[in-house]
Amino acid sequence: AQSVTQLDSHVSVSEGTPVLLRCNYSSSYSPSLFWYVQHPNKGLQLLLKYTSAATLVKGINGFEAEFKKSETSFHLTKPSAHMSDAAEYFCVVSEGETGGFKTIFGAGTRLFVKA
Amino acid sequence: DVKVTQSSRYLVKRTGEKVFLECVQDMDHENMFWYRQDPGLGLRLIYFSYDVKMKEKGDIPEGYSVSREKKERFSLILESASTNQTSMYLCATRALLYGYTFGSGTRLTVV
Repeated sequence: AQSVTQLDSHVSVSEGTPVLLRCNYSSSYSPSLFWYVQHPNKGLQLLLKYTSAATLVKGINGFEAEFKKSETSFHLTKPSAHMSDAAEYFCVVSEGETGGFKTIFGAGTRLFVKA
Repeated sequence: DVKVTQSSRYLVKRTGEKVFLECVQDMDHENMFWYRQDPGLGLRLIYFSYDVKMKEKGDIPEGYSVSREKKERFSLILESASTNQTSMYLCATRALLYGYTFGSGTRLTVV
């Protein structure tokens, strides 16, 4: 069965400190994994994706994520938070062709950045 | 870049009204989706379409229908709007392994 768990519904950091948003997944097939960001009253924007190439994936705006198969995790990190990073972040798992490309979104993690 | 355009950002409708939410993409993507987004529940798939005139139910299709007469347009229809359909609705296309492209969303309020 396929599932995605974002371990924190809210994360609060100070500007300039590191960001860690946690995501665990389960999948019966070799999945593709994504992180999306949503700013208030906007649609979702793709931050980065893992599709079975390098396990450390770099995305836009200084974000990166590491695929750890042994831990079934795909945590999102950024070395130094900026005020503009305040948003909601979604971890997404998508199964490949053998899984019918079924896609599940995590419930989201809201990131607060304090000045 | 793929653009996905949802015709309305905000809508207010009355209970019992028939509501149409329109979505248009400017690329040649076969796959189009309608999600609703509610706090704490993430995104839930209502319907999707993988080709013109083809549609598949998602996880929460009750109370909704869809129409895909042309490849670029995917419409979501609320046959008789109810207050529990107050939500943010997101349209998206997908290029298989390369992720989704979302529209800006339509925030629907049913009163």
